Order: sequence, then structure tokens, then C-alpha cells
Amino acid sequence: SQKIEQNSEALNIQEGKTATLTCNYTNYSPAYLQWYRQDPGRGPVFLLLIRENEKEKRKERLKVTFDTTLKQSLFHITASQPADSATYLCALDTGTASKLTFGTGTRLQVTL
Amino acid sequence: GAVVSQHPSWVICKSGTSVKIECRSLDFQATTMFWYRQFPKQSLMLMATSNEGSKATYEQGVEKDKFLINHASLTLSTLTVTSAHPEDSSFYICSASLRAYGDEQFFGPGTRLTVL
Repeated sequence: SQKIEQNSEALNIQEGKTATLTCNYTNYSPAYLQWYRQDPGRGPVFLLLIRENEKEKRKERLKVTFDTTLKQSLFHITASQPADSATYLCALDTGTASKLTFGTGTRLQVTL
Repeated sequence: GAVVSQHPSWVICKSGTSVKIECRSLDFQATTMFWYRQFPKQSLMLMATSNEGSKATYEQGVEKDKFLINHASLTLSTLTVTSAHPEDSSFYICSASLRAYGDEQFFGPGTRLTVL
């Protein structure tokens, strides 16, 4: 069966450190993968999109890698700040008209 | 940037009544709109894909007669939960996409539905 797995346990890190979140998938062959941020009681906000032929993508303090052999994406936030505390969702395209399937998300807590 | 609004942001209704939720793309015309449902501490589950002027495509297990979707224009889609029951209480979120494929989705702020 198809699965998208993110670490369900919260990730607690200290301000200034790099946070690394993992997204693993099985029985998918996505052409692209996206990462979103979701705050409590709010809709997700798009962060980054990476295509299958791209190994890495960066945007300011964010970096995403995509390994189609390992079927894994890593999401990094460098120099993390308390304002980065949120739930981060990875999403895969299903190959049909922009439909996305979301992982369960990982809650990140950045403390002072 | 692309903004999607939803109305209402929260609604409480009695069991057996119907509730309509609106999703609008404010500054762009959306090729496609999507409706999701999210239960507490769970991820977003796609309910249906909505294209302007055509019938919505529902995901497996979603009752199309219970969750009525109307996509009247390129900027407005509505979701009506008919004969709502307590188990329909959830966070309903819509999103819109600019292009047909391979693009980010812009999400609305969500609507919290509570059915008593």
C-alpha cells in the first residue's frame, strides 16, 4: 500500500541549531514533492517544491533534498528560531492534475 | 501573492442541518480547487477536486451526495455538508492551484465545523 511517513513525534531543538525533518514514502513515484508549514487552526502555507530531477533546493534558511532512490526527502531549517515552531507537512503529487497526498506532519518546537 | 479565503471561519450547527462553506481565490483565477478535511492531530485528507463548470471528482470513500461541491466560477467553490452529524465535525480546508499540474497549492484559512 502507499504510505507517506513523517516522524510523528515532536522535534524539539534549541534556537540557532539546524532542524532536520524526514519524509519517507513507499509505493509512490512522485514527479515532485512539496513542503508546507501549518500553524494550529490554520491552513497550510507552501514553503518549497522540488522535482524528481532535482537533488536539492534552497530558499533562505530552508533546504530540501529529494532522493528518489531512497524514496526520501529531508527538510532542513538552519539557524532555527522560536517563530519556526509549527507542524511541517510533506506532500507528494499523485500524478493526476495537481492532486497532492499529505504526510501526517512533524511538529517542530524551537526553544530559547 | 495568491490569497484564498474561506467563509465562515467557524460554524456550529445542529445535527440534521446543512452547512455551506465558501472558498474564494481573491486575486487570481484558479484552474482547480481542492477540498480537504483534517481531524485533530491528523493530516489533510483530500475529499474532492473541483474544476469550474464541471462536476467535482470525489476521492474514494467520500459520499458525493453528502458533500455537495459547486464550482460556479474560476474564483468561487462551495462545499455543502448536507444533513450534518456529529461525526462530520472537523476542520475543512480548501486550496486553489494556478496551473493544471506541478504547482503549489494556496490554502484557505480553514473552517471549523462543529455539529451538536
